[in-house]
Amino acid sequence: EAGVAQSPRYKIIEKRQSVAFWCNPISGHATLYWYQQILGQGPKLLIQFQNNGVVDDSQLPKDRFSAERLKGVDSTLKIQPAKLEDSAVYLCKLGYTFGSGTRLTVV
Amino acid sequence: LAKTTQPISMDSYEGQEVNITCSHNNIATNDYITWYQQFPSQGPRFIIQGYKTKVTNEVASLFIPADRKSSTLSLPRVSLSDTAVYYCLVGDLDYGGSQGNLIFGKGTKLSVKP
Repeated sequence: EAGVAQSPRYKIIEKRQSVAFWCNPISGHATLYWYQQILGQGPKLLIQFQNNGVVDDSQLPKDRFSAERLKGVDSTLKIQPAKLEDSAVYLCKLGYTFGSGTRLTVV
Repeated sequence: LAKTTQPISMDSYEGQEVNITCSHNNIATNDYITWYQQFPSQGPRFIIQGYKTKVTNEVASLFIPADRKSSTLSLPRVSLSDTAVYYCLVGDLDYGGSQGNLIFGKGTKLSVKP
């Protein structure tokens, strides 16, 4: 079973600033996902990777969000510039396992 | 991707059995049914997955009727620590054998009282 470490745990930034989140698989899995969870809602898929390649990024706001997966292992998700409505928890998932997420607050 | 419908909230008492039913009328032949549990400030945690009939593990049971248009998660003898949001999802398996492109609803908020 995959293990997932995410960092940072919390982040507060001002609107229009940039921010990056990291997902570090403790054990390997071919497919990696990033989800966004707004308070009171279920997680929403942003992007799906299979190894290094993007399988589905149809719900990723590409004008401000970007993501990459290095060597089919670690992954980063970036927002530039951030908006108030980006305040949410960003979750990384490998296999059946979600990380604890990064809670982003945009002020 | 099939959508699911489940109750917004449920209340129970410690020691009771809790059954949460989910409807998924448009489930596809290749779809599996998966339940996740989420505590505040944590990512969702996988509970159980099934395709048809009944599946049981150390945490819960999942009942799926023959038409697969609904499923019921059964939690035996709940405790206060089972207070959480429970999500029902359907989808096919990805390349790695798990489900990825899942559509989460708002889930069922289960409150267990002493």
